[in-house]
Amino acid sequence: EVQLVQSGAEGKKPGESLKISCKGSGYSFSSYWIGWVRQMPGKGLEWMGSIYPGDSDTRYSPSFQGQVTMSADKYISTAYLQWSSLKASDTAMFYCARGGRGGVISNDAFDMWGQGTLVTVSP
Amino acid sequence: SYVLTQPPSVSVAPGKTARIACGGDNIGSQSVHWYQQKPGQAPVLVIYYDSDRPSGIPERFSGSNSGNTATLTISRVEAGDEADYSCQVWDSSHEHVVFGGGTKLTVL
Repeated sequence: EVQLVQSGAEGKKPGESLKISCKGSGYSFSSYWIGWVRQMPGKGLEWMGSIYPGDSDTRYSPSFQGQVTMSADKYISTAYLQWSSLKASDTAMFYCARGGRGGVISNDAFDMWGQGTLVTVSP
Repeated sequence: SYVLTQPPSVSVAPGKTARIACGGDNIGSQSVHWYQQKPGQAPVLVIYYDSDRPSGIPERFSGSNSGNTATLTISRVEAGDEADYSCQVWDSSHEHVVFGGGTKLTVL
């Protein structure tokens, strides 16, 4: 079964760092792009960026460039999203999703989603 | 950057047809994907490349795309179809994924 399993909910204080994970199974993890999507409370989906685990090629949305760092370890089929200094406005649900196959990013859909990781940042 | 516009809400009676629009400049020249998200759940792909259905998605779900509007059509709407629906394209000019703002489908 193809699936993405994300790490559990996090409660952090402003200024703290955080790294959440997304582990794939049931398919060749290194051969598909992984996208990260933010959903703030009561709001829509926002693409943060995508990473290709095969060579860690990464694309960031301008809205998130410099605010987060995406990485991947193809040997353990896991992608990561990290913050160096959280803000209260980072409170949201974060999803990873499987994108297209191959090293060239394109217009493929996100056909499989993780269950989401809820990040809450408060003093 | 590219903008996708969706109506905030659509209401439909059970058994009727719901149509959810996704507007964008010459969107007909792009491939559109649609996601369903029920409360407390992750999104699920229901239509890809304008009109293809992933396995497991009922035939009641269909899609079309022409001109400046893509449309997700749900026939014979059921109570279980009540959810948020979001469209998505790939902005090749900027190498960005773009989501529409989402439409809440209410089954009356």
